[in-house]
Amino acid sequence: ETGVTQTPRHLVMGMTNKKSLKCEQHLGHNAMYWYKQSAKKPLELMFVYSLEERVENNSVPSRFSPECPNSSHLFLHLHTLQPEDSALYLCASSQDPTGGTEAFFGQGTRLTVV
Amino acid sequence: GNSVTQMEGPVTLSEEAFLTINCTYTATGYPSLFWYVQYPGEGLQLLLKATKADDKGSNKGFEATYRKETTSFHLEKGSVQVSDSAVYFCALLKGSARQLTFGSGTQLTVLP
Repeated sequence: ETGVTQTPRHLVMGMTNKKSLKCEQHLGHNAMYWYKQSAKKPLELMFVYSLEERVENNSVPSRFSPECPNSSHLFLHLHTLQPEDSALYLCASSQDPTGGTEAFFGQGTRLTVV
Repeated sequence: GNSVTQMEGPVTLSEEAFLTINCTYTATGYPSLFWYVQYPGEGLQLLLKATKADDKGSNKGFEATYRKETTSFHLEKGSVQVSDSAVYFCALLKGSARQLTFGSGTQLTVLP
């Protein structure tokens, strides 16, 4: 299997639930990202991990908690979410920090908070 | 800071029509430029890229030329198909990929 794989593809959760999104990349990259894509809004970069260390956290609420156990896997742990957190969550990977290298995206997890 | 501005959609065309989606950027130096495409229900896929001035990226009949003098990277296709219906994102990269900057996306609908 190649590329960036995200599971699940769709998730419906209540505001009191705890769930996790998973991302796995088979490209040998050393950097991974979480993006949030909401309707009518630009892509928002949430977290960046480079060499398994978090290097960026763009003012994301603490109800979103990332985890990067190794360079191939990235998780986004979710708890006590709000309806406005409903969105498509995209994972991406790249080779960093050599630069000039595009990011490769997974298919996303469509999250609905009810 | 870096920024990307692309034409607002939605854009609706008939099959076999000519497509142009405008993209301009603001950045210091010489960024790399990209077009990503997002088909319904999917993530983003890289469509084409150009890494230096006057480079032309091309893929699947789409083309875009890196114009330093006008800071533009307009996407064109001579004859669109229904299967090209998607959202198109222009993006620039300056430095490492954590500094990838996206435009707001342009929804394209092609009617048979």
